[in-house]
Amino acid sequence: KAGVTQTPRYLIKTRGQQVTLSCSPISGHRSVSWYQQTPGQGLQFLFEYFSETQRNKGNFPGRFSGRQFSNSRSEMNVSTLELGDSALYLCASSSPAGGRTNEKLFFGSGTQLSVL
Amino acid sequence: SQELEQSPQSLIVQEGKNLTINCTSSKTLYGLYWYKQKYGEGLIFLMMLQKGGEEKSHEKITAKLDEKKQQSSLHITASQPSHAGIYLCGALGGGSNYKLTFGKGTLLTVNP
Repeated sequence: KAGVTQTPRYLIKTRGQQVTLSCSPISGHRSVSWYQQTPGQGLQFLFEYFSETQRNKGNFPGRFSGRQFSNSRSEMNVSTLELGDSALYLCASSSPAGGRTNEKLFFGSGTQLSVL
Repeated sequence: SQELEQSPQSLIVQEGKNLTINCTSSKTLYGLYWYKQKYGEGLIFLMMLQKGGEEKSHEKITAKLDEKKQQSSLHITASQPSHAGIYLCGALGGGSNYKLTFGKGTLLTVNP
């Protein structure tokens, strides 16, 4: 069974540009979450989607947005990039095992975004 | 909001030695996850603990959950260089919150 796939693996952008990251969850997983990881702040939750609906959102500005498609694949978009957006962006999909407290999150390898 | 504090922040051990990493939550734990990460890569799921007193083992790694203390520990027996990496604990909040809150991680180095 294929794992969570994130593309691209590395990305270099300049300030002011926008970027779109893609995530394909494990087959059968309907929940996709996005996290930002930086050396200073650690792992921070961005948002979570389930069946094309955003269920929860972290404390990030509106420049960060996401969406989920009917096949559960998800994309996140960052507009007007800032230097501080340089980070490893991780996507996770959850097991179809059941309720919230049983959700194992399986992570992709991440997209390393560098903003110059 | 929930906060997770991991200790120690970093750890250097000699191969073959045992070690313990702790994770303490500022709020009630509804589920505690342990992940391992190689620098710049994704997180590898290790274990999930849901009930107070629960203990799980996988190969030489054992994790325990002390619900009353709002704390979990990860113990590695007879460490190997392959155990090196960043260990992260993550916890689910209460209510209708679907996000995981993570600790800052513990960097483990195992010297051969």
